[in-house]
Amino acid sequence: AQRVTQPEKLLSVFKGAPVELKCNYSYSGSPELFWYVQYSRQRLQLLLRHISRESIKGFTADLNKGETSFHLKKPFAQEEDSAMYYCALGGQGAQKLVFGQGTRLTINP
Amino acid sequence: NAGVTQTPKFRILKIGQSMTLQCTQDMNHNYMYWYRQDPGMGLKLIYYSVGAGITDKGEVPNGYNVSRSTTEDFPLRLELAAPSQTSVYFCASSRRGQGGEKLFFGSGTQLSVL
Repeated sequence: AQRVTQPEKLLSVFKGAPVELKCNYSYSGSPELFWYVQYSRQRLQLLLRHISRESIKGFTADLNKGETSFHLKKPFAQEEDSAMYYCALGGQGAQKLVFGQGTRLTINP
Repeated sequence: NAGVTQTPKFRILKIGQSMTLQCTQDMNHNYMYWYRQDPGMGLKLIYYSVGAGITDKGEVPNGYNVSRSTTEDFPLRLELAAPSQTSVYFCASSRRGQGGEKLFFGSGTQLSVL
């Protein structure tokens, strides 16, 4: 079974501080991990995926298979990063994408 | 570029009423999905389709039905609305299976059942 856990429903940090949104997963196969973001009044959209190993808007995420984690990080938070963030798990042979509960990130000025 | 279009954006239903949430995409994607978003619960998959004529249940299918007669359209039907179905509904599509594929989402339908 696929399962994703985001332990923090709410996260609040000050502008310029580092940000880490936690994501842990459970999957018996080879996982594919994603971070999706929903800004206020916008559609849910893909932020990044682990297979691309890219940095989007200063965010990075590394898949740690040993710890079954895919934490999202940014060294210096900006006010425009305030949004709802979802970690999602797919994988080879998986037809569906399973989402975590989401973390609402608020960046304080 | 329309992408994924959902209608209506808002709807209020009385208990026991029925309605259809419309979803259409113009990207020629084979895979389409319906999710519901409840506060603190994340997105839960209701139904999905891997192509025209093929649908399957997700995590929370009870109280819903779907059909996929064309590649473009994937309507979600609520037959007897219940307060537990108050939620925000999202339709999404992808080019192929979700295992490693990016999902494109609609703007959502906010449904209240009173």
